[in-house]
Amino acid sequence: GQQLNQSPQSMFIQEGEDVSMNCTSSSIFNTWLWYKQDPGEGPVLLIALYKAGELTSNGRLTAQFGITRKDSFLNISASIPSDVGIYFCAGQLASGGGADGLTFGKGTHLIIQP
Amino acid sequence: GAGVSQSPRYKVTKRGQDVALRCDPISGHVSLYWYRQALGQGPEFLTYFNYEAQQDKSGLPNDRFSAERPEGSISTLTIQRTEQRDSAMYRCASSLLAGGPTGELFFGEGSRLTVL
Repeated sequence: GQQLNQSPQSMFIQEGEDVSMNCTSSSIFNTWLWYKQDPGEGPVLLIALYKAGELTSNGRLTAQFGITRKDSFLNISASIPSDVGIYFCAGQLASGGGADGLTFGKGTHLIIQP
Repeated sequence: GAGVSQSPRYKVTKRGQDVALRCDPISGHVSLYWYRQALGQGPEFLTYFNYEAQQDKSGLPNDRFSAERPEGSISTLTIQRTEQRDSAMYRCASSLLAGGPTGELFFGEGSRLTVL
């Protein structure tokens, strides 16, 4: 099946620093999404990308859908303590129609040191 | 309800027993998904429904796993003759639309299954 390679696996940063993580795939995806998961909770959608080349921002978060449709990155600017958690990229093969389920990366564990 | 509700939150069972995990999606959501998440891993797709119809069950590991959503709302994931390797967090998610851009899934808190 499809595999998503997400990196880095974990990040230890200082509060206020910018963060960058990315995801690559061997398959072409028509949708890329970024989720955040807090301990004991389910993943929560942060940003959804539907077009190759699309750059989307949500507050301090910025994500891009790669031109090749095989990669995406997520940036977090000026990190704050509540940014701590696990960030997952996810890709979907079908464009609409509620078809295939999402394929998730293994996650990037973000740890912020005060 | 306000969010996706799953029960039980925790289930400990002995190897060989059957278990049933329940998911109550957000009211009005058409699509319902089941995922399995191992510790330190991302969610792994199992199966999904549009209304009561199971659209894709390619992610179910083997024939001990089955799911149903008979009335297009609540869904049950059943694991027969459980094995230790079935231990994981089982997450349900729902989305509003069956058509159009998808992927905006709302996840429940999960059912943690431990098979002894």
